[in-house]
Amino acid sequence: GAVVSQHPSWVICKSGTSVKIECRSLDFQATTMFWYRQFPKQSLMLMATSNEGSKATYEQGVEKDKFLINHASLTLSTLTVTSAHPEDSSFYICSASDQGGIYFGPGTRLTVT
Amino acid sequence: AQSVTQLDSQVPVFEEAPVELRCNYSSSVSVYLFWYVQYPNQGLQLLLKYLSGSTLVKGINGFEAEFNKSQTSFHLRKPSVHISDTAEYFCAVSDPQGGSEKLVFGKGTKLTVNP
Repeated sequence: GAVVSQHPSWVICKSGTSVKIECRSLDFQATTMFWYRQFPKQSLMLMATSNEGSKATYEQGVEKDKFLINHASLTLSTLTVTSAHPEDSSFYICSASDQGGIYFGPGTRLTVT
Repeated sequence: AQSVTQLDSQVPVFEEAPVELRCNYSSSVSVYLFWYVQYPNQGLQLLLKYLSGSTLVKGINGFEAEFNKSQTSFHLRKPSVHISDTAEYFCAVSDPQGGSEKLVFGKGTKLTVNP
């Protein structure tokens, strides 16, 4: 089956710094990828839709200047959390799809100290 | 706009007992429905999905769900649970017309299977 990977699996950064999270579709091409955020003991909330070769589409309430999304190729999308703050600490999950279905990455645990 | 309600935030059950995790959705259009399982500190794994056709959907690990359009429900069931089924379960919905890959999730139900 199709596999989506994320890197890193966990990261700790200091407040005010930026951190980049990668999402890769390993054995298929994904024109569109999605980024979700999951706070502890809560559901996944869609942050944005990442479109290959064009700007991402952000959900209402998500700061596009803070959460930079780049979809540089059909197999890679990156999410950069800029000037991170402790309230950005969360579990970030990406998904991608092909004709067979929707596949989720294993997630990235971000802790901002 | 679509929304998903998972009526139970936590469901404790004994091993080998049956379980039902409830999910109701609201949508003004036809929907695709999904159940995902999440083990601690891991991503989501698809259990089953309803796209069309038979309203009874069978998934992995012995789970099944029934789509009930009149009650706008998609409850998940398993006749006999194992300790290893302890996890968080998410019901999700998407719009086949408006971007079926974009999912709206419920808040999740934590299933705890006790020996």
